[in-house]
Amino acid sequence: DIQMTQSPSSLSASVGDRVTITCRASQSISSYLNWYQQKPGKAPKLLIYAASSLQSGVPSRFSGSGSGTDFTLTISSLQPEDFATYYCQQSYSTPSITFGQGTRLEIK
Amino acid sequence: QVQLQESGPGLVKPSQTLSLTCTVSGGSISSGIYYWSWIRQPAGKGLEWIGRIYNRGSTNYNPSLKSRVTISVDMSKNQFSLKLSSVTAADTAVYFCATNIVGTTTRFDYWGQGTLVTVAS
Repeated sequence: DIQMTQSPSSLSASVGDRVTITCRASQSISSYLNWYQQKPGKAPKLLIYAASSLQSGVPSRFSGSGSGTDFTLTISSLQPEDFATYYCQQSYSTPSITFGQGTRLEIK
Repeated sequence: QVQLQESGPGLVKPSQTLSLTCTVSGGSISSGIYYWSWIRQPAGKGLEWIGRIYNRGSTNYNPSLKSRVTISVDMSKNQFSLKLSSVTAADTAVYFCATNIVGTTTRFDYWGQGTLVTVAS
C-alpha cells in the first residue's frame, strides 16, 4: 500500500491567515493526488484533484501544488467556513486508493 | 447531479454480517459512467476505502478487507450494497457510499451523508 502522511496533524490559525498543509506519499504518485474538506457530521467534499485542479464551485482561495511524493494544499486567506479537517488521497494505485490521516484546522 | 443515500441497521452484533444499501438518484447505476464505492471512517479517525463495483458487477476490494467484503448491485432498484462478514468492534464506523466517474482519476465527486454502524452485543 502507498502510505500518505499529512503534516501537521492539527493547526490553529486565524481568519485571514494563509495556511499550508502538507501531504507526503511513501512512493512517487506523479500528480495522482486529491484533497478533501470534511466538517463534523458531514461527508468529505472534493476540493482539489490531480494535485492542482480546482473542483468546480470551490473558492479560488484554495490551491494545490506538488508532484512525485510531496504535495501542499494552501488556503490563501482563511474564512470562518474553512475551519474543518482536510484529507489528501492518492489515486496512483487505483483501485487501492488510500487517504492521509487528516489535518484538523482550528480557530486560534 | 448524482445523489446517494445510505441505509441499513445501525447496530450489528459481533461475528455477524453488516449489510448496508446505497440508493442512487440523479443517475443510473447501470449507465457505466460511474464507479460505485464504499468508504468508512471510525470515530475521530481517517477514511478507509472498502471497495467498489462497476460495469454491471465487476468489483475491486481493499486487500485488507477482501476476505470479508462483498459489494453487489441491484439495477432494478438503482442501488448497490455492502456486506461485511464476521464483524468486530473494529468495524464500528460511519460508512459512506461515494462515486467517481469512469475515465477520470479516482476522485470522489459525490458522497452520501454517511450512516453510523456500531458493532456491539
